[in-house]
Amino acid sequence: AQTVTQSQPEMSVQEAETVTLSCTYDTSESNYYLFWYKQPPSRQMILVIRQEAYKQQNATENRFSVNFQKAAKSFSLKISDSQLGDTAMYFCASIYGGSQGNLIFGKGTKLSVKP
Amino acid sequence: EAGVAQSPRYKIIEKRQSVAFWCNPISGHATLYWYQQILGQGPKLLIQFQNNGVVDDSQLPKDRFSAERLKGVDSTLKIQPAKLEDSAVYLCASSLGGRSLYNSPLHFGNGTRLTVT
Repeated sequence: AQTVTQSQPEMSVQEAETVTLSCTYDTSESNYYLFWYKQPPSRQMILVIRQEAYKQQNATENRFSVNFQKAAKSFSLKISDSQLGDTAMYFCASIYGGSQGNLIFGKGTKLSVKP
Repeated sequence: EAGVAQSPRYKIIEKRQSVAFWCNPISGHATLYWYQQILGQGPKLLIQFQNNGVVDDSQLPKDRFSAERLKGVDSTLKIQPAKLEDSAVYLCASSLGGRSLYNSPLHFGNGTRLTVT
């Protein structure tokens, strides 16, 4: 079974500081994709960043970057210069085989950014 | 572009009653998804449509859940009869389709929070 594990149910960080959210996944596939989604209280899931498994280079999107460790099956999200608007649930997700199908989500990490 | 529209925003029903949720995807998006998100968990796919055809409904409890996308645009998800364990947020998402979700990522609506008492 395909699984995505987020081991930190809750985290907090001071405004302007850096925080890292952890994610591990399990797959036997060689072709897969990884994502981080943000879910604020509005409930809308918003794509933060995505990574192709065959790319060695870690993806970055402005203040968001990932540390993709393929051998360890680890895909952590680093948020730099944290802002109050970053307060949300963060979900790690994966999909296998380049399909349009079943995106598998972790249980999420609740991030609170404190002023 | 307008986002994925969902209604209602909230719904409270008693167990054994029926309920329906509506979703209008982003214009031009061929693929539509319904996800169930139980409190404290990540979303779980219930059903996926490609235009008006079902691609994957393997996790849809078909004895009580049904969904349709008759004209390949908007979609309705129905629960009949509802159980207490159906209390969750129901998220609709859409994508252009035709490519992997990396190249054609999901766009989500704001969801419907269902409470079954």
